Amino acid sequence: EADIYQTPRYLVIGTGKKITLECSQTMGHDKMYWYQQDPGMELHLIHYSYGVNSTEKGDLSSESTVSRIRTEHFPLTLESARPSHTSQYLCASSEFRGSSGANVLTFGAGSRLTVL
Amino acid sequence: QKEVEQNSGPLSVPEGAIASLNCTYSDRGSQSFFWYRQYSGKSPELIMSIYSNGDKEDGRFTAQLNKASQYVSLLIRDSQPSDSATYLCAVRTGGSYIPTFGRGTSLIVHP
Repeated sequence: EADIYQTPRYLVIGTGKKITLECSQTMGHDKMYWYQQDPGMELHLIHYSYGVNSTEKGDLSSESTVSRIRTEHFPLTLESARPSHTSQYLCASSEFRGSSGANVLTFGAGSRLTVL
Repeated sequence: QKEVEQNSGPLSVPEGAIASLNCTYSDRGSQSFFWYRQYSGKSPELIMSIYSNGDKEDGRFTAQLNKASQYVSLLIRDSQPSDSATYLCAVRTGGSYIPTFGRGTSLIVHP
């Protein structure tokens, strides 16, 4: 079944540790995104990719980095985690349907990060 | 001014009533409009998309688009407690593939 997967779902880690949040999709979508969302707050786009070897920063400044070496894989890395990085991280993918102008996002289940 | 505006709510309606959620946007070149539902602690999921002026119905949900007035709305008929969630409006503005999300409106349907 085509889907988008995020691991880990929950992570509690100490300050200064390096972490990588994994995101994989089996839908063959060329576009992928990382959003950050605090509880009860709005979505903030932090990174996106239009395809392999294409990555861009989003609207919200983030100390994280991303890579897109394979179409299906879009990991997010924090080199040195801090308590301010505590948040929910949502990965999404989409396929642009040119005739209708639609770009429907499919979201993963999210990774909830807590930095102590 | 934010590009996509929504009243954060909460909007509280009794079970069986019609819930009306509104969204305004600033870019007149916007082409695609989406409503996502997000349950507490979960990820957003698409409910409806609309691209042309007028109404689009899907079951209990109706999306309404008025490009001249730059607003899009979502009507939920026969509201159920299971409809209690945050509803996110997203707009794909001209020149970008990436939809811009509003802050979301919290809907509470009480029995």
